[in-house]
Amino acid sequence: AQKITQTQPGMFVQEKEAVTLDCTYDTSDPSYGLFWYKQPSSGEMIFLIYQGSYDQQNATEGRYSLNFQKARKSANLVISASQLGDSAMYFCAMRALLTGGGNKLTFGTGTQLKVEL
Amino acid sequence: DGGITQSPKYLFRKEGQNVTLSCEQNLNHDAMYWYRQDPGQGLRLIYYSQIVNDFQKGDIAEGYSVSREKKESFPLTVTSAQKNPTAFYLCASIPSRGASGNTIYFGEGSWLTVV
Repeated sequence: AQKITQTQPGMFVQEKEAVTLDCTYDTSDPSYGLFWYKQPSSGEMIFLIYQGSYDQQNATEGRYSLNFQKARKSANLVISASQLGDSAMYFCAMRALLTGGGNKLTFGTGTQLKVEL
Repeated sequence: DGGITQSPKYLFRKEGQNVTLSCEQNLNHDAMYWYRQDPGQGLRLIYYSQIVNDFQKGDIAEGYSVSREKKESFPLTVTSAQKNPTAFYLCASIPSRGASGNTIYFGEGSWLTVV
């Protein structure tokens, strides 16, 4: 079984500050992928960043970086220099990449981020 | 352009009726998924399919049914057995296991309301 846990239902950050959104996961598959998605109030899902379990370096995409700590099973999203447009719901997700786990995609419960002036 | 198309975007259902939500993709993806999202909540997996003519129950399959007769299509039927179907429904797809894709593709979602 695989599980994603996001323990922060809501977060506030001031504009231009950095913020970390927490994500821990549990899986028995040795090979997996971790994703972060942003969902604004319109409902669309916007891909932010991906980390493979065997990637040697932490993933970065512009202002987004993933703090991947495999031994602790955590994949926290760091947003630098927050902008008002970053206010949205953020989801962490995992995909198992081997047989048995197949291609099941599991999402966390999300973190609602509010960026303030 | 390749992508996932969900329809309808908004749907109203009377109690006791079955309704079917459409999900079509032209990405040549093997795996497709249906999620339910309640206001302010996360995505919960209803059903998923890794190949044509095969699908598995997710975490909240009761009251729902699916089919996968074609690779491109993965319709979801919300049956009258689903007691609280009002929610936002998202369809997603990914390349098959072993493929290089690392992105989950989503449709724009369907809002279902029971009246």
